[in-house]
Amino acid sequence: RKEVEQDPGPFNVPEGATVAFNCTYSNSASQSFFWYRQDCRKEPKLLMSVYSSGNEDGRFTAQLNRASQYISLLIRDSKLSDSATYLCVVSAHNTNAGKSTFGDGTTLTVKP
Amino acid sequence: GAVVSQHPSRVICKSGTSVKIECRSLDFQATTMFWYRQFPKKSLMLMATSNEGSKATYEQGVEKDKFLINHASLTLSTLTVTSAHPEDSSFYICSARWEGKNIQYFGAGTRLSVL
Repeated sequence: RKEVEQDPGPFNVPEGATVAFNCTYSNSASQSFFWYRQDCRKEPKLLMSVYSSGNEDGRFTAQLNRASQYISLLIRDSKLSDSATYLCVVSAHNTNAGKSTFGDGTTLTVKP
Repeated sequence: GAVVSQHPSRVICKSGTSVKIECRSLDFQATTMFWYRQFPKKSLMLMATSNEGSKATYEQGVEKDKFLINHASLTLSTLTVTSAHPEDSSFYICSARWEGKNIQYFGAGTRLSVL
């Protein structure tokens, strides 16, 4: 079983749709959680950190469920520019020198 | 703007050549930097963790003599692909960790093509 698992998709949605991605992690000692976005042939860019209380940034909402060991990302009112691969990232501060583990990514395509 | 600079962005070289890639943190000091490799349509694969002032920690299966890492200062880590071969062709990405936030910021990547 992978340490961080994501549904690879692809998710193909029309503009304006709401789409949700889930990610599960296996290391219960994990302490930091992030969503990154990666465009084709580009580097990953931080989208948002994920907190137990949940956090929202415009059309994006991230949630963390420690008991079930999963995190989610909700995108409302999808835009064409949201098309990208979304990477779930989990880090355990106390092991592996804080090394982060990346999921394989979920691909989103927003169509007109 | 970018907080991590990676150079060069593109390298095309002959087999047997050694290639050096630089990764610089621009706005913060990074005691820890990471080097990744990514194949098309695949996720990032961690190669090694670069620690300022000490030896890098390599992931299982990554040859330390093949991929030399030097982290001589708090803002610079270098990866040297020694005697590159066509199978080393890939997208190499570095990241620097902002310690206080435990967030990794990525360089723009280096696309290496070995002929």
